Amino acid sequence: GAVVSQHPSWVICKSGTSVKIECRSLDFQATTMFWYRQFPKQSLMLMATSNEGSKATYEQGVEKDKFLINHASLTLSTLTVTSAHPEDSSFYICSAELGTSYTDTQYFGPGTRLTVL
Amino acid sequence: RKEVEQDPGPFNVPEGATVAFNCTYSNSASQSFFWYRQDCRKEPKLLMSVYSSGNEDGRFTAQLNRASQYISLLIRDSKLSDSATYLCVVLYSNYQLIWGAGTKLIIKP
Repeated sequence: GAVVSQHPSWVICKSGTSVKIECRSLDFQATTMFWYRQFPKQSLMLMATSNEGSKATYEQGVEKDKFLINHASLTLSTLTVTSAHPEDSSFYICSAELGTSYTDTQYFGPGTRLTVL
Repeated sequence: RKEVEQDPGPFNVPEGATVAFNCTYSNSASQSFFWYRQDCRKEPKLLMSVYSSGNEDGRFTAQLNRASQYISLLIRDSKLSDSATYLCVVLYSNYQLIWGAGTKLIIKP
C-alpha cells in the first residue's frame, strides 16, 4: 500500500504554454500533499503544501500565480506551470502525507521531468 | 511487492550507538542510489549517494550490493541531531525516482 503516482512522467513543451502535472495517492487518502522541485546534485526545494479543500501554502519565493496548485480531492493534487519558460525546466516531485496516531509519513511520487524548449 | 522497501521503524537508539539501515529494491535495472534525510515535514536533503565500492562521509557509511539488490546506511557514534527519517531513493534509467517510505530514527540521550 501507500503508493503515489505522478502523471506525466516526462513532458516537453514550448515556451509560453502551460503544463499540468498530476499527483495521486493510489491506495490512501491524503489531506496534505507537498510539491518539490529538484535541482542539480539532487537537492529538493519545497515549493508548496497542498491541503485538500483549501488554498495551497507557498514557500517564500515561489510565485503562486505561476505554479497553480489544486487539491480537489483526497487522492489528487495538481500542479500547473503556467506560461512555462526554459528556466522552469526541472524535475517536479510530489509527496502525500499519510497520518496515523503514531506517525506522519510522506510517500513520494516518482517525479515528472519537465523540459521547456 | 514495493519497488523500494525500508523498515519503517522507529528505531530508538541511545546516543553514541551505531545504527544501520537497509533498503531493498526490486528492479535490477536501477541506475543510481541515494540516501536522503528528512526532518519532520521539511524537504528531504541529500545525505549521500551510494557507489558500488561503498563510500564514507564522516560518521556515515553507505554500501551497495547489486547482487542482492540492497543498499545500507551505517551511522556511527550517533548524535541527538541524527534523529530524522532516512529515505532510500533509487533512480531508474528513465529518470524516475523511486522513494522508499523511510525509516524513522530517534536518538535518545
